[in-house]
Amino acid sequence: DIQMTQSPSSLSAFVGDRVTITCQASQDIGNFLNWFQQTPGKAPKLLIYDASNLETGVPSRFSGRRSGTTFTFTISNLQPEDVATYYCQQYDRLPTFGGGTKVDI
Amino acid sequence: QVHLVQSGGDVKKPGASVKVSCKASGYTFDSYGIAWVRQAPGQRPEWMGWISGYNGNTDYAQKFKGRVTMTTDTSTTTVYLDLRSLRPDDTAVYYCARKRGYSYGHLDYWGQGTLVTVSS
Repeated sequence: DIQMTQSPSSLSAFVGDRVTITCQASQDIGNFLNWFQQTPGKAPKLLIYDASNLETGVPSRFSGRRSGTTFTFTISNLQPEDVATYYCQQYDRLPTFGGGTKVDI
Repeated sequence: QVHLVQSGGDVKKPGASVKVSCKASGYTFDSYGIAWVRQAPGQRPEWMGWISGYNGNTDYAQKFKGRVTMTTDTSTTTVYLDLRSLRPDDTAVYYCARKRGYSYGHLDYWGQGTLVTVSS
């Protein structure tokens, strides 16, 4: 299986800060990467697909990019409602998820 | 709008089977697949497999082959997950999600989740 190594596992930032999360794939997955947001007791929510495409209805402060097998997810202007755990997920082969990043204010 | 509504939680003994349903509405059922993803407490999500809403073809993760069956009832636009020979480490929230796009695709709408507890 393709391993997705996500970092950091948690972070704390201020409202208005720029926050960046990284996922490293164990092999080339092209752009086959999604980013999800999950709040406690809720299902994951798709934010970014194909590494850098913003899902319809998702605020533009969320973005993603790819550099080789390293993927970054950025929240450009952190808001209180962004407190959540964020997961990357590759789907080039059998889908696998990163370990998650818990974001606090 | 798109809705996926799952059946309620269940408690099972080791060795038993569980069947979870996922009622889809608000979109053309046979134009999308439905994937099943589970999440054990405090763990990352885990892909179990998916089923085509068009022809019922399935693609199961190797880990679950032999223990899992996914089926559809197109007359009621309901998808079912059947998991057999349950073990305590099958305790998890089970989610269905609409799969958009080719291959494994993007999971763009999710059910509310069904907690399955396996305990003697």
